[in-house]
Amino acid sequence: NAGVMQNPRHLVRRRGQEARLRCSPMKGHSHVYWYRQLPEEGLKFMVYLQKENIIDESGMPKERFSAEFPKEGPSILRIQQVVRGDSAAYFCASSPGQGGSNQPQHFGDGTRLSIL
Amino acid sequence: EDQVTQSPEALRLQEGESSSLNCSYTVSGLRGLFWYRQDPGKGPEFLFTLYSAGEEKEKERLKATLTKKESFLHITAPKPEDSATYLCAVRSNAGGTSYGKLTFGQGTILTVHP
Repeated sequence: NAGVMQNPRHLVRRRGQEARLRCSPMKGHSHVYWYRQLPEEGLKFMVYLQKENIIDESGMPKERFSAEFPKEGPSILRIQQVVRGDSAAYFCASSPGQGGSNQPQHFGDGTRLSIL
Repeated sequence: EDQVTQSPEALRLQEGESSSLNCSYTVSGLRGLFWYRQDPGKGPEFLFTLYSAGEEKEKERLKATLTKKESFLHITAPKPEDSATYLCAVRSNAGGTSYGKLTFGQGTILTVHP
């Protein structure tokens, strides 16, 4: 499967723990985007990254959330000291070119995060 | 701030009963309108990109059209396997020069009965 790969598919954490979500983009794609889908809400943009650079983090909460896309390896969305309100589905998407190019974003199947 | 509103929230059709889904948008400089299909427990699957008013795209039983204020997803003679949530999203100049952000609507849940 050459699609966007996210893992784990399901993640359970207790309040106060850390959650790490991983995303491997499609082969040949160098741009990664993270979205969050809260229950009964639509997909909300969080952050846009290229290799080793954060391009747009306007949708990221100011505290506890961080994202990276290192030169080697997958993109990581990290949530520190999780709270119940962080329970959601987190989706990663990738594209081959910059956001303004004629390239759609292709999505993975998400990580369902549950906070106990 | 970009806004996307989809209607209806839910649509139930009989197999073969054609219909349309609506996506109304307000953006500062449209740089693309995207339609996705999402099945339960899955990520959105890309269907179409539209860039300018008057543009149309077709794929099997689906046809997407675009005006300056809205887009329609027409479904002709739907089958039960077309049942899914259909999402509309826009990319605009509001995101500065990065143009990475997509703003999504709430989606339309389509159910096609045999």
